[in-house]
Amino acid sequence: GAVVSQHPSWVICKSGTSVKIECRSLDFQATTMFWYRQFPKQSLMLMATSNEGSKATYEQGVEKDKFLINHASLTLSTLTVTSAHPEDSSFYICSAPGGGTYEQYFGPGTRLTVT
Amino acid sequence: GEDVEQSLFLSVREGDSSVINCTYTDSSSTYLYWYKQEPGAGLQLLTYIFSNMDMKQDQRLTVLLNKKDKHLSLRIADTQTGDSAIYFCAEGRRGSQGNLIFGKGTKLSVKP
Repeated sequence: GAVVSQHPSWVICKSGTSVKIECRSLDFQATTMFWYRQFPKQSLMLMATSNEGSKATYEQGVEKDKFLINHASLTLSTLTVTSAHPEDSSFYICSAPGGGTYEQYFGPGTRLTVT
Repeated sequence: GEDVEQSLFLSVREGDSSVINCTYTDSSSTYLYWYKQEPGAGLQLLTYIFSNMDMKQDQRLTVLLNKKDKHLSLRIADTQTGDSAIYFCAEGRRGSQGNLIFGKGTKLSVKP
């Protein structure tokens, strides 16, 4: 099946710094990718939809200036957490739709810890 | 509302059947999914069912959908220790492929 990778798999950063997370579709092209956030023992919450060649669409309550999304190519979307704070610590997961109308392939996730 | 509810824990013995239940609220849901998440890993799509179906079987997995009661279940036959993971129920809507509404996940523990 289709593979989506994320890099890094985990990162620890200091409060106030910025962190970039990459999401790649390895064997297929994705004009759209999705970014989710998962808190411990919680469900995944959709943060934003990343659109290749255009601006991302953010869900209500998600700060676009804090979570910068860039979808520069058909296989890469990046999420940059700017001026990170401890409350941004979470598991960030990206996904990309497959060829069918129901398939969605998820990356392995990135664990962000802000100290 | 857009809640998807699941029980948080389930413990079974190896070889038994596991049944994980889920309720959802949006009757316009088009697809319903079951995902598996192993520790430290991303989500793996186990199976899905269209909203116009009542049942779907795929090897050891059986999905039952009661649309009237908005109830979805996943049955795993002959549960193995490798099935230990968190199982997420999710609902999706036509035209909103990425906007899946997830439950909080059911942690399945399989005892030898």
